[in-house]
Amino acid sequence: AQTVTQSQPEMSVQEAETVTLSCTYDTSESDYYLFWYKQPPSRQMILVIRQEAYKQQNATENRFSVNFQKAAKSFSLKISDSQLGDAAMYFCGSGGTSYGKLTFGQGTILTVHP
Amino acid sequence: GAVVSQHPSWVICKSGTSVKIECRSLDFQATTMFWYRQFPKQSLMLMATSNEGSKATYEQGVEKDKFLINHASLTLSTLTVTSAHPEDSSFYICSASLGSEQYFGPGTRLTVT
Repeated sequence: AQTVTQSQPEMSVQEAETVTLSCTYDTSESDYYLFWYKQPPSRQMILVIRQEAYKQQNATENRFSVNFQKAAKSFSLKISDSQLGDAAMYFCGSGGTSYGKLTFGQGTILTVHP
Repeated sequence: GAVVSQHPSWVICKSGTSVKIECRSLDFQATTMFWYRQFPKQSLMLMATSNEGSKATYEQGVEKDKFLINHASLTLSTLTVTSAHPEDSSFYICSASLGSEQYFGPGTRLTVT
């Protein structure tokens, strides 16, 4: 079984500043991966970043990076140089490589102020 | 990149009628597709897992007789909401798996009047 918890229902950031979204998880899987999806007002789910659990190096995608603490079961997302287009609902989640089901957290609504 | 489409994007139906939502993987074959339901400002709730050529696996609490899922080919899965009621109004999202990656459709907004 997998559970994902996002404890920040809403966050806000000034344009060009940095913001960190928190996520903790629990899983019984030995082979799993973690991810962050972005859902803008269009409601299209967009993959922001993915981290394989067996990799120690934190994943980065341009302005997006994660802080993966496996022992603490923590997987936070850092957005640098925030842009107005980053405003969206962000979902943390996990998936097992042996099965396809994804588990999502509750979501964090990010507001970016100009 | 892999693209998943949904049709229709928005549908309004009267209470008691049935409505069908299609999910297609446009440029790849998906052995597994997933159906989610999402209420405003809430997370995605997995309804069922659909495998080509076999019966769908429903999550606990999801009425299989109300939400009929058919995965007739490797590129098409359909969700039929039978005898729809206003409480079935929601945003329905499908996803299709390619290896360990999942690709999401743009969603379908269902409004039952």
